[in-house]
Amino acid sequence: AQSVTQLGSHVSVSEGALVLLRCNYSSSVPPYLFWYVQYPNQGLQLLLKYTTGATLVKGINGFEAEFKKSETSFHLTKPSAHMSDAAEYFCAVSASGAQKLVFGQGTRLTINP
Amino acid sequence: GAVVSQHPSRVICKSGTSVKIECRSLDFQATTMFWYRQFPKKSLMLMATSNEGSKATYEQGVEKDKFLINHASLTLSTLTVTSAHPEDSSFYICSASYDEKLFFGSGTQLSVL
Repeated sequence: AQSVTQLGSHVSVSEGALVLLRCNYSSSVPPYLFWYVQYPNQGLQLLLKYTTGATLVKGINGFEAEFKKSETSFHLTKPSAHMSDAAEYFCAVSASGAQKLVFGQGTRLTINP
Repeated sequence: GAVVSQHPSRVICKSGTSVKIECRSLDFQATTMFWYRQFPKKSLMLMATSNEGSKATYEQGVEKDKFLINHASLTLSTLTVTSAHPEDSSFYICSASYDEKLFFGSGTQLSVL
């Protein structure tokens, strides 16, 4: 069984500040981990994913995430927030790259000018 | 890149009517598609896994007679919400599996009056 917990349903940061969105997972098999972004009334856009290999994964729009097996975490970061980063972010886990995803509860990111 | 087209993007219907949502893979063949449901301010919950040429696999608690899924071809899966009621109002998103990746449609906002 797999599960995902995102700590903090709402995160607010100032423009230019560090963005940190937390994600912890549980998986009985080696996990594939994903971060998706969702803008209002739109579908999901993949930010980045971890499959195997390098634990620090770089994605689009300046985001990156680090897979830490010992902490069962896959936190999402961005050094400097931009107003356009305001959206809902979902962490997800699956048993492979193309199987069904189990999503976290989502974190709404607000950027303050 | 692979594109998944989902239609309609928004539908409003009267209680008791049926609504069909289409999910098409435009430039690839998808043997497997997934249907998710997203309640307001909530995460995405997998409803069912749709396999071409066979019956869909529904997640626990999802009424298969209410949410009819048909995957008649390698490029099309449909979700029909039968006898819709206001509690079925939600955002429905499909995704298609290809080349060890998942690609998402843009979602359908269903409002049942």
